[in-house]
Amino acid sequence: HSVLAQPPSASGTPGQRVIISCSGGTSNIGSNFVYWYQQLPGTAPKLLIYRNNQRPSGVPDRFSGSKSGTSASLAISGLRSEDEADYYCATWDDSLSGRVFGTGTKVTVL
Amino acid sequence: QVQLQQWGAGLLKPSETLSLTCAVYGGSFSGYYWSWIRQPPGKGLEWIAEVDHSGSISYDPSLKSRVTISVDTSKNQFSLKVSSVTAADTAMYYCARWGGGSGMAYWGQGTLVTVSS
Repeated sequence: HSVLAQPPSASGTPGQRVIISCSGGTSNIGSNFVYWYQQLPGTAPKLLIYRNNQRPSGVPDRFSGSKSGTSASLAISGLRSEDEADYYCATWDDSLSGRVFGTGTKVTVL
Repeated sequence: QVQLQQWGAGLLKPSETLSLTCAVYGGSFSGYYWSWIRQPPGKGLEWIAEVDHSGSISYDPSLKSRVTISVDTSKNQFSLKVSSVTAADTAMYYCARWGGGSGMAYWGQGTLVTVSS
């Protein structure tokens, strides 16, 4: 259903760096900003990154976003136990004339 | 501080109409897009539709025929209706504010809607 593909899972030990990819196309990531959301178990999603690489106030600088062509990525540096959550990329799709979310990636801290 | 508070019926029978409302407290209603997103149990986020303060609307194409979204600026509220629901519409439904390239920074608490006979 989703036009944005993410790996279903990613993991790392405390302190490690984890990178989550988000793959799309020219009508979505290729021509629009990318956003990242963190969803802790049983809670509403939280905005983590906006406009490809900007952090809202209060989001630790351990989280960083980037975009290249039709793909984007979220990096979590210095992984902590509280980072264990689901992460979603999102953008606008010009062909669908609507917003789209990625398939989601579950991050596990080993 | 902006807060979104949502409410609506949590249990529906197949073929009934889902109806949810989201009230916005503590911020301007104009200048933003007001969105509905859902999440089936154990699955990912699905964008449903959004409306701005003037009533301009965008829909997910797969749901457009069954979805009505509206805004009441006098009450700072916006609403979602989904007609002819089936078990596939069972999900946690969220309202959210999308603003000026800044993403969905504010979300409602979520409403679990279950469709069952």
